[in-house]
Amino acid sequence: ILNVEQSPQSLHVQEGDSTNFTCSFPSSNFYALHWYRWETAKSPEALFVMTLNGDEKKKGRISATLNTKEGYSYLYIKGSQPEDSATYLCASRRVGNQFYFGTGTSLTVIP
Amino acid sequence: NAGVTQTPKFQVLKTGQSMTLQCAQDMNHNSMYWYRQDPGMGLRLIYYSASEGTTDKGEVPNGYNVSRLNKREFSLRLESAAPSQTSVYFCASSERGGLASGVGGQYFGPGTRLTVT
Repeated sequence: ILNVEQSPQSLHVQEGDSTNFTCSFPSSNFYALHWYRWETAKSPEALFVMTLNGDEKKKGRISATLNTKEGYSYLYIKGSQPEDSATYLCASRRVGNQFYFGTGTSLTVIP
Repeated sequence: NAGVTQTPKFQVLKTGQSMTLQCAQDMNHNSMYWYRQDPGMGLRLIYYSASEGTTDKGEVPNGYNVSRLNKREFSLRLESAAPSQTSVYFCASSERGGLASGVGGQYFGPGTRLTVT
C-alpha cells in the first residue's frame, strides 16, 4: 500500500450504535499513526497518536488500535452520540517529518 | 496560547494575481506545514519546514513558494494564481520528529478559503 486509505468513506449510524472504521497505511519506514477528528467548518483536532505494534488508546467512548506489521489501525466509537458526527482522519507519519493523510471517514449519527 | 493562526480567512483572487497566506504558531514548535484540502482528495502537503531555516517540497508544490521567516512564522505565496488553486489551505505545526524525540501530532490553523476566478 503506497497511500493511506480509509474505509468506509462515509457512515450513518443511529444514536447509541457502536461503530468502527479502518485506516490502512504503508508498514515500511513507519514512525507513528495519528487519528484526528474534523468537524465541519473547523480545523482537525488530534485524537490519538500510536507508535507501537499492538498499541491501544482510549478517550472516553472512543478507542483505537494499531497493527504496524500489517499496516492498519481501527477507530471504535461505543454508543455513538450526535456530537460524534464529524470526519475522522488518520495520518501516517513515516521516518522524517511528513504526515500522509487519508481522505477520512465521514460519520453522521442520527438522533 | 492562540495555537496556530492564519490570515486571511477568506480571499478571492483573479487569475494571475499574487498573494501571501500568513501562518504563525506560539507553541515553540520546530516543524510547520502547508496543506490544501480539496473535495475527495483529503489533505495534501504543499510544503513543509522541518526547522527554522529549512523548507522542503511536499506532494503538490507547483505554483507555490514558502518562507520560514522565523521559528513562529511560515508563509505561503501564490505568485500567479490559477483557478486550479481554488481550495482551502491549512497551516499546521508539530514538534520536531526524530526516533528519540516526541511523536506529537499536528496542530492546525482555522484554514483560509481561497477562490481564484
